[in-house]
Amino acid sequence: KQEVTQIPAALSVPEGENLVLNCSFTDSAIYNLQWFRQDPGKGLTSLLLIQSSQREQTSGRLNASLDKSSGRSTLYIAASQPGDSATYLCADGTSYGKLTFGQGTILTVHP
Amino acid sequence: DVKVTQSSRYLVKRTGEKVFLECVQDMDHENMFWYRQDPGLGLRLIYFSYDVKMKEKGDIPEGYSVSREKKERFSLILESASTNQTSMYLCASSLGLRNTEAFFGQGTRLTVV
Repeated sequence: KQEVTQIPAALSVPEGENLVLNCSFTDSAIYNLQWFRQDPGKGLTSLLLIQSSQREQTSGRLNASLDKSSGRSTLYIAASQPGDSATYLCADGTSYGKLTFGQGTILTVHP
Repeated sequence: DVKVTQSSRYLVKRTGEKVFLECVQDMDHENMFWYRQDPGLGLRLIYFSYDVKMKEKGDIPEGYSVSREKKERFSLILESASTNQTSMYLCASSLGLRNTEAFFGQGTRLTVV
């Protein structure tokens, strides 16, 4: 059964820092890898989707990479801002869009 | 933009009640999902549906059932609510079979007392 792990569990950084969130998965036969943001008590907002045939995707200050051979994905956030504070979740996608989630990284960006 | 709407943000129900959680999507997506999210356990798939009237069990279907009579609507049913079903419930939808992005609703915080 696929297992998804996110490191670190929590991260606190000063505003302006560049940071990397890590996601690893045990089964490399994934269809895609999706990164989400979740604010406290709210639903999930899709940030980036990387197809299994792709190596990376970019949206604004966010860049996500995928290395299937090593079972890893990273989310890079450039020039972090207090508004980036949230929980970040990665999930591997299989048929029909079923997702297996990691436990998440709680990010705090302080002014 | 895809919109997935859950009928309630917060619900409080009594043990033994039959509870309906409703979800509607407006982008003609084929697939719909119900997850629950619990501290320390993360998000887990309860049920999903890949077509009208079609459903498949996820990882934790016990105590739940679902209904999908129309493409845009997917209901989660707690036949007899119990306190261990107190949780955040999240509905999602996606377009097709492969490489499809999932979109989530705002969540329903259910408390069973």
